[in-house]
Amino acid sequence: KNEVEQSPQNLTAQEGEFITINCSYSVGISALHWLQQHPGGGIVSLFMLSSGKKKHGRLIATINIQEKHSSLHITASHPRDSAVYICAVNRGSQGNLIFGKGTKLSVKP
Amino acid sequence: DTEVTQTPKHLVMGMTNKKSLKCEQHMGHRAMYWYKQKAKKPPELMFVYSYEKLSINESVPSRFSPECPNSSLLNLHLHALQPEDSALYLCASSPSQGRDGYTFGSGTRLTVV
Repeated sequence: KNEVEQSPQNLTAQEGEFITINCSYSVGISALHWLQQHPGGGIVSLFMLSSGKKKHGRLIATINIQEKHSSLHITASHPRDSAVYICAVNRGSQGNLIFGKGTKLSVKP
Repeated sequence: DTEVTQTPKHLVMGMTNKKSLKCEQHMGHRAMYWYKQKAKKPPELMFVYSYEKLSINESVPSRFSPECPNSSLLNLHLHALQPEDSALYLCASSPSQGRDGYTFGSGTRLTVV
């Protein structure tokens, strides 16, 4: 079993829909990251969370440390949100990230 | 400057070639990382440099040789690669190892023929 599990693996939505991507982890962490990867390959860091909730524009990320679960929400989705969204966690001070397998999001106009 | 710059963006090399990938950042970050990503898979950690010293080597074959000549620059020297080494190579940096957010480069797409 992977230490970081994401669901769903693939998600297709209509423009304007509210989207939720889930991430569960089974290890102790110091931080959880939500990353976005477009087809070209570059990765953009969206959020780093150690507790609570963060919001940036139409994106909201939450984390429940007790339940070892995080969600990424996209409000009023747009075709330009189409990308792979990756959940990754830091374990302690080692610096390396443990990645989930990613959620491929496609938003149709 | 808030970017990690990777060059080249694309590289095709033969199995007998020697080439280098370059990664540069000017954000004052003291930790730098090399990741390898195969198609439709998450990135896999290869190396971590912290304060210009190699701190993690994830059992990477010796045909990959990292180098951190200064705090802004990270190189990955490639020699005698195999076709299965074809992948996207991503560089990332963070202010310190393991405690802060990461900035990723756009990657070098490597094809070994």
